[in-house]
Amino acid sequence: NAGVTQTPKFRILKIGQSMTLQCTQDMNHNYMYWYRQDPGMGLKLIYYSVGAGITDKGEVPNGYNVSRSTTEDFPLRLELAAPSQTSVYFCASSKSEGRGTEAFFGQGTRLTVV
Amino acid sequence: AQSVSQHNHHVILSEAASLELGCNYSYGGTVNLFWYVQYPGQHLQLLLKYFSGDPLVKGIKGFEAEFIKSKFSFNLRKPSVQWSDTAEYFCAFGSGNTGKLIFGQGTTLQVKP
Repeated sequence: NAGVTQTPKFRILKIGQSMTLQCTQDMNHNYMYWYRQDPGMGLKLIYYSVGAGITDKGEVPNGYNVSRSTTEDFPLRLELAAPSQTSVYFCASSKSEGRGTEAFFGQGTRLTVV
Repeated sequence: AQSVSQHNHHVILSEAASLELGCNYSYGGTVNLFWYVQYPGQHLQLLLKYFSGDPLVKGIKGFEAEFIKSKFSFNLRKPSVQWSDTAEYFCAFGSGNTGKLIFGQGTTLQVKP
């Protein structure tokens, strides 16, 4: 069972370049999330989705875009990469079971913008 | 504003020592509380959670946590740590049913053999 799969694992971008971080889950979870993890800062929510076709901003959405055309996939798009976007990005998913639902995380994408 | 605060940023223990990591949250309503662990080079995985019932919850690998509503706390404990417990630990809370989580800053635990 693959769970949540993120690609790529590592990427170096130049300032101004664009890229898409891929995330797919095979658990038929309705909810999906993108977080970024900065040293000493914990994880911050970028965007989330409660189902196909529905997305919403999290705490730190600026500079990112998402789409959710299928239940399985939730790509994160960086249009104009900036050094402030150097971070580790985690995709996660969970069932829509209400309180106490556990989120399952992917292995992360380490992005460096130079 | 909703927030989570972890008091210890870096903890160093010897094997067999007892562990307690502090976590406080700021929210007046009903919460779901979680502790996640991130072993070196791996993704986050759930240690334990609380959302109702017995405020003392037990998780994997001998960890437990106690929810104290009056103190807005959810501290993580383990009576005797092992070298394999070296990892980063995150406290998180969620409100409502969307599954969105607010994370603390994380605590890096280093266990010396």
